[in-house]
Amino acid sequence: DVKVTQSSRYLVKRTGEKVFLECVQDMDHENMFWYRQDPGLGLRLIYFSYDVKMKEKGDIPEGYSVSREKKERFSLILESASTNQTSMYLCASSFGRLGLGSYEQYFGPGTRLTVT
Amino acid sequence: GQQVMQIPQYQHVQEGEDFTTYCNSSTTLSNIQWYKQRPGGHPVFLIQLVKSGEVKKQKRLTFQFGEAKKNSSLHITATQTTDVGTYFCARRGYANDMRFGAGTRLTVKP
Repeated sequence: DVKVTQSSRYLVKRTGEKVFLECVQDMDHENMFWYRQDPGLGLRLIYFSYDVKMKEKGDIPEGYSVSREKKERFSLILESASTNQTSMYLCASSFGRLGLGSYEQYFGPGTRLTVT
Repeated sequence: GQQVMQIPQYQHVQEGEDFTTYCNSSTTLSNIQWYKQRPGGHPVFLIQLVKSGEVKKQKRLTFQFGEAKKNSSLHITATQTTDVGTYFCARRGYANDMRFGAGTRLTVKP
């Protein structure tokens, strides 16, 4: 059964702290994604990766960075957390490359981050 | 920003009524995917459409892709309380990136 796990379900951090959100998938998927979800705004793409060590900016990369050292793991880093980064963070993965594959996204349970 | 627009943002129906959500794009889409997110849950893939004019059905759910591939719709016949949640459309870009609409939140009164 397909599984995407995220390191924490709930997280509370202080302004200025460095925050790491981890995501692991066990499906050997090439593509991995980080989104944030806010009421009324849907899912906004922060960063994505289509291969190990590769990363691409999404629509709202400012204040975030990512790391993909291994195929199964995609980390989101908040260099210096701010209150406007309080949100639900969702990780997803998908299988597909060069037009082949389903590209169906599998999501993790999400991490609700509060920055105080 | 979001390259697919979804309407309506909210829809409240009486159980047994039909429900439709629409997804629109100003540019031609190569594909459209639909997801459902139950309250407190994460988005779950429902279906992908790739062909012009394509219509697919899953029990009471009917998905359509417009002839011009600039719009899509999800129609639920005779809603049930189990249909409650937020429905998202999403488009895949050439770099395998995904862009989601803002979603339509459906509530169903028993």
